[in-house]
Amino acid sequence: GAVVSQHPSRVICKSGTSVKIECRSLDFQATTMFWYRQFPKQSLMLMATSNEGSKATYEQGVEKDKFLINHASLTLSTLTVTSAHPEDSSFYICSIGTSGGSSYNEQFFGPGTRLTVL
Amino acid sequence: AQSVAQPEDQVNVAEGNPLTVKCTYSVSGNPYLFWYVQYPNRGLQFLLKYITGDNLVKGSYGFEAEFNKSQTSFHLKKPSALVSDSALYFCAVRDNDNNDMRFGAGTRLTVKP
Repeated sequence: GAVVSQHPSRVICKSGTSVKIECRSLDFQATTMFWYRQFPKQSLMLMATSNEGSKATYEQGVEKDKFLINHASLTLSTLTVTSAHPEDSSFYICSIGTSGGSSYNEQFFGPGTRLTVL
Repeated sequence: AQSVAQPEDQVNVAEGNPLTVKCTYSVSGNPYLFWYVQYPNRGLQFLLKYITGDNLVKGSYGFEAEFNKSQTSFHLKKPSALVSDSALYFCAVRDNDNNDMRFGAGTRLTVKP
C-alpha cells in the first residue's frame, strides 16, 4: 500500500500562534487527502476532504478559516491551525485516497501529529 | 506499540446473509477499539467503539462488534447484510495509556443482491 508521512509528529506551541502540519504521500500521487482529528478518549472525526488543485470540502462544524487546508500538489497537503488555542490541542491524522481503478477510494493513513497548545 | 490486523482483504456475502469482518489487535494496556466505514469517494465514518463494559457493542446501521479479550479480537458483525453495506471497513485500536491510534489495512465488503 501507499506510504504516508506527517510532519511534525509532535508540536507544542503557544496560544495565538499558527501551526502547519504536512501530509506527504511518499510513493503515490494522491488526488484526494483527508484530514481527521481525534480528541482525547474520543474516536476519530473527519474534518475535511482535500482535493488537489481545488478548495477543500469541510465537514459541518469545522471552521474553514481556522483550519486552512492547502493541497497544492499530488504528494503534499498541509493543514494550518491558525491562532491556535488550548482547545485545538488534539491528534491530527491525514490519509490519502487512491483510485486504483476501483469504485472505492482506498485510504492509507499517516502516523498522526500531536498538537499541544499551551 | 499497539497494532491491529484485518486478515481479510475482501469479504463477499449475499444480501440477507449474516456478515463478519475480522479484526485482531495487540496493545500493552487496555484497548480502545473502533470500527470505521468508508463509502466511495468519502472519508471515514465512525461506526462503533469499545471502551469498557459489555463485550457486545452496537453501532450505526445495524452493525455490532464483539470484544473478545482472550482472543484479542473485535470482529464486526451484522445479522442481515444489505447491498448498501458494500464499502471499506477499517478497524482501529488505541492503547488507553497512549492516545496514538493505529488502523488496520481495511477490508472491502461486497454484498451481492
